Amino acid sequence: GAVVSQHPSWVICKSGTSVKIECRSLDFQATTMFWYRQFPKQSLMLMATSNEGSKATYEQGVEKDKFLINHASLTLSTLTVTSAHPEDSSFYICSGRTSPQETQYFGPGTRLLVL
Amino acid sequence: GENVEQHPSTLSVQEGDSAVIKCTYSDSASNYFPWYKQELGKRPQLIIDIRSNVGEKKDQRIAVTLNKTAKHFSLHITETQPEDSAVYFCAACPGGGYNKLIFGAGTRLAVHP
Repeated sequence: GAVVSQHPSWVICKSGTSVKIECRSLDFQATTMFWYRQFPKQSLMLMATSNEGSKATYEQGVEKDKFLINHASLTLSTLTVTSAHPEDSSFYICSGRTSPQETQYFGPGTRLLVL
Repeated sequence: GENVEQHPSTLSVQEGDSAVIKCTYSDSASNYFPWYKQELGKRPQLIIDIRSNVGEKKDQRIAVTLNKTAKHFSLHITETQPEDSAVYFCAACPGGGYNKLIFGAGTRLAVHP
């Protein structure tokens, strides 16, 4: 299957700082990338859908000004958690897809801990 | 919007037994149903998927069935092995733009030797 990488794999930051997470499709062009958040022992909750060159579409209840998503190229999408707070601590996972007919391939996730 | 319910939340079986996980969805326009396996702290891995134009798909010990009329689909694992222990998520892809996936709550499968 296709390979998706994420960086960093884990990050610890102080409350009030911003954190950027990168998601890269290594061997395919991801026209669409998705960002999920997963709390311990819970399911994957879709945060936003990002199409290359377009503004992201956010799910209901997700603050677009807090979770900034950029999808500037077919192989890179970034999620920036602005002014992070302890309640933002979670496992953030991205996925990429080449076309609507294809499946999503997930990155390894980024574990964020906000102190 | 689409809602996916998954049962059971936990499942414990003996090695060699079969395991069945069931999901129901609400959006009749949903047309793609993947199953993912997630080991602790790792990424979800696609194990099998099915599209709405077929009723069953099999890949070695894993099979998925789809009943569009009843709007439910199931994962069947035969001859379970300890390495099958993980959390399994079903998902549905509702109709319309972007083709996002809506995930079930997950099933924690434990296979005991």
